[in-house]
Amino acid sequence: DTEVTQTPKHLVMGMTNKKSLKCEQHMGHRAMYWYKQKAKKPPELMFVYSYEKLSINESVPSRFSPECPNSSLLNLHLHALQPEDSALYLCASSQDLARAFFGQGTRLTVV
Amino acid sequence: KQEVTQIPAALSVPEGENLVLNCSFTDSAIYNLQWFRQDPGKGLTSLLLIQSSQREQTSGRLNASLDKSSGRSTLYIAASQPGDSATYLCAAGGANNLFFGTGTRLTVIP
Repeated sequence: DTEVTQTPKHLVMGMTNKKSLKCEQHMGHRAMYWYKQKAKKPPELMFVYSYEKLSINESVPSRFSPECPNSSLLNLHLHALQPEDSALYLCASSQDLARAFFGQGTRLTVV
Repeated sequence: KQEVTQIPAALSVPEGENLVLNCSFTDSAIYNLQWFRQDPGKGLTSLLLIQSSQREQTSGRLNASLDKSSGRSTLYIAASQPGDSATYLCAAGGANNLFFGTGTRLTVIP
């Protein structure tokens, strides 16, 4: 199984809503990542979890809150987002310096 | 900070042609170099990974090379097909991050 599964695939939320994005992998990878990708731009790193601990936060606003409940799951909690936060949110996992596997992403629209 | 550039930004070729996509990076202290494919609105599919100690990797019609000293990687696609149409991204691997290039949008015309 070389899949990273993200849910939901699409999400529309209002600026006062609270929602969560979910990511799951069963490859035994100990590093998991959240990336944000705007249209026609490359992915930008948001957070890195290594062995279930947050190791990198790329100065992401606090309205984005990551959580790693166990080695297979990664969540991104969203609260009070702005329209400019609309983007494709990608989850990835890797083991050490090996190949990174990406999920299909969640297309988020903030209205 | 690592900066990764891809040339050309867009490429349109007739089916059956061989083609080369270019990737350059500013910091040669990388752990690996990865090539990904992205279809519109979708996630990234890993194509090839070259470790820093390697010079090239091959998978089917794809061949990627790496020259760390000059900060360059190329992706060679042989006998292109319409199904190869997508955006191709290279990424320079740091200790715990991937630094992505701006991508090359490839269109293969039947």
